[in-house]
Amino acid sequence: EAGVTQSPRYAVLQEGQAVSFWCDPISGHDTLYWYQQPRDQGPQLLVYFRDEAVIDNSQLPSDRFSAVRPKGTNSTLKIQSAKQGDTATYLCASSFNNYEQYFGPGTRLTVL
Amino acid sequence: QQKVQQSPESLIVPEGGMASLNCTFSDRNSQYFWWYRQHSGEGPKALMSIFSNGDKKEGRFTAHLNKASLHVSLHIKDSQPSDSALYFCAVITSGGNYKPTFGKGTSLVVHP
Repeated sequence: EAGVTQSPRYAVLQEGQAVSFWCDPISGHDTLYWYQQPRDQGPQLLVYFRDEAVIDNSQLPSDRFSAVRPKGTNSTLKIQSAKQGDTATYLCASSFNNYEQYFGPGTRLTVL
Repeated sequence: QQKVQQSPESLIVPEGGMASLNCTFSDRNSQYFWWYRQHSGEGPKALMSIFSNGDKKEGRFTAHLNKASLHVSLHIKDSQPSDSALYFCAVITSGGNYKPTFGKGTSLVVHP
């Protein structure tokens, strides 16, 4: 069974540039999560979906971040106008029926 | 808002020794508890879950939950160098949304 895949694996931007991250969850998993993980810290939940519906996006900086999961399968997280403080690894995870989360390898973002 | 705190921040144990990791949470509606492990350059992977008060043993790993004390712990017996990693406690609140909150992690080093 294929795991959670993410792309790109690395991104380097100047402040003010935009970037999109893509996630393909495990087939059949209904819930998809996006996390931000600063270096040497725990994953911080940004947004999560059940099928195509947003369940909670209260910790997503809505002025610059957006996330969609239009068909309840793949998902895209976008940062408009990146800031140095956005430097972190962005993790995608999926689960079935709110059970164990399976994480992808992450996208390491550096904003100069 | 749920607060999850882990201690210690870092831990060094000799090969064959016992490692004990602690996690406290703030929301008494917390229902499900997971321990995840993350090796450098990878996404976190689930180690084990515990849902009821008491102990749960899986091989060298034992989790202990005390909901009244808002405390969950993980004990690793006969620690191996391959156990060296970041360990995260994840707490899931009930109420329909099953929102996960991760702690900041404990960095474990097992030296030969």
